[in-house]
Amino acid sequence: GQQVMQIPQYQHVQEGEDFTTYCNSSTTLSNIQWYKQRPGGHPVFLIQLVKSGEVKKQKRLTFQFGEAKKNSSLHITATQTTDVGTYFCAGGGAGSYQLTFGKGTKLSVIP
Amino acid sequence: GAGVSQSPSNKVTEKGKDVELRCDPISGHTALYWYRQSLGQGLEFLIYFQGNSAPDKSGLPSDRFSAERTGGSVSTLTIQRTQQEDSAVYLCASSFLATNEKLFFGSGTQLSVL
Repeated sequence: GQQVMQIPQYQHVQEGEDFTTYCNSSTTLSNIQWYKQRPGGHPVFLIQLVKSGEVKKQKRLTFQFGEAKKNSSLHITATQTTDVGTYFCAGGGAGSYQLTFGKGTKLSVIP
Repeated sequence: GAGVSQSPSNKVTEKGKDVELRCDPISGHTALYWYRQSLGQGLEFLIYFQGNSAPDKSGLPSDRFSAERTGGSVSTLTIQRTQQEDSAVYLCASSFLATNEKLFFGSGTQLSVL
């Protein structure tokens, strides 16, 4: 079955430093979604990428979908304490109802 | 409602007891999902509903787990004869359509089996 690997599992950064999390799928994806889960909260949708090589930006966040549609990354520029949380990628197969979630990257930001 | 509602928010039970977890999705959302999240872990898919039908139940960990959805709306996840390894946060999510749609998650039910 489809597997989605996400690295790193944990990342501690100094406030103002950049942060990147990577997601790799064992199969070609039709789309990839990113979610953020604040401590004690539930996952909240951030963005969906569907096109090969797609790049989307949300303020300090940059999302990329690989050319082969098997990998993705989330980059945060100049982290802030409000960025703390766990970032999950979730891959969807063509025509599939099921999203396969990665195990997430837990980001800690040191003020 | 405005969002996905889950109840109870916390449930403490004794090993061997049955529990029912409820999910009320966003009105008009046809797809409903149950996930399980153990402490510090990712999201484990349990079951998906399209309307009242569950095309795929293969994510349910054992036959002690069952789920139903009525009226294309509220869903109940039932765990029979709970075990300590069932302790986790059970998250429900809904989406407007079934495929490749963003998920709206509820706040989850924290289940603790003593």
